[in-house]
Amino acid sequence: DVKVTQSSRYLVKRTGEKVFLECVQDMDHENMFWYRQDPGLGLRLIYFSYDVKMKEKGDIPEGYSVSREKKERFSLILESASTNQTSMYLCASGTGGLTSYNEQFFGPGTRLTVL
Amino acid sequence: QKEVEQDPGPLSVPEGAIVSLNCTYSNSAFQYFMWYRQYSRKGPELLMYTYSSGNKEDGRFTAQVDKSSKYISLFIRDSQPSDSATYLCAMSVTGTASKLTFGTGTRLQVTL
Repeated sequence: DVKVTQSSRYLVKRTGEKVFLECVQDMDHENMFWYRQDPGLGLRLIYFSYDVKMKEKGDIPEGYSVSREKKERFSLILESASTNQTSMYLCASGTGGLTSYNEQFFGPGTRLTVL
Repeated sequence: QKEVEQDPGPLSVPEGAIVSLNCTYSNSAFQYFMWYRQYSRKGPELLMYTYSSGNKEDGRFTAQVDKSSKYISLFIRDSQPSDSATYLCAMSVTGTASKLTFGTGTRLQVTL
């Protein structure tokens, strides 16, 4: 079974703190993704990576950065957390391929609250 | 206007009912159409996917795509309480490394 794990299920941080969300996948997938999920807005793509050290902005990258130093690990960084970044954060991984569909496998999510 | 529109529900049906979940979209370049199921406090998991137009059946689930109307549907026959979850439609354009655009999700409750 594909497994995508996220470092924390619940996280509470203060405004202005630097926050790291970690994601690890065990299936040697090329692609990894970070989404946030908010009521009424669905899942929105923040960043994705199609290879080690490669990253692409998604639809809402402002206020976030990412790091992918190893194939299995993709980190989301909130440089200075703000209350509007309170959300559910979901990591996903999937096989590569620019011309075909490949399933994305999701982790359980991290519920981040910024006070 | 959002690229993908989905009625948020909630939708409550009795056990055994036929459920119809729908999404509309505006981007005619979408080629792959997916339905994900998300249980409470879990990540989404792929239920079905369809390439281009047509129908696809898997057990009690049927996915339909009508590209001319930019409309997709998921039908659940003989619904069970275990089907209670949020259902998310998602779409992608060929050649974008599986970048998905999601609907907002429909919450379904199947009651005994």
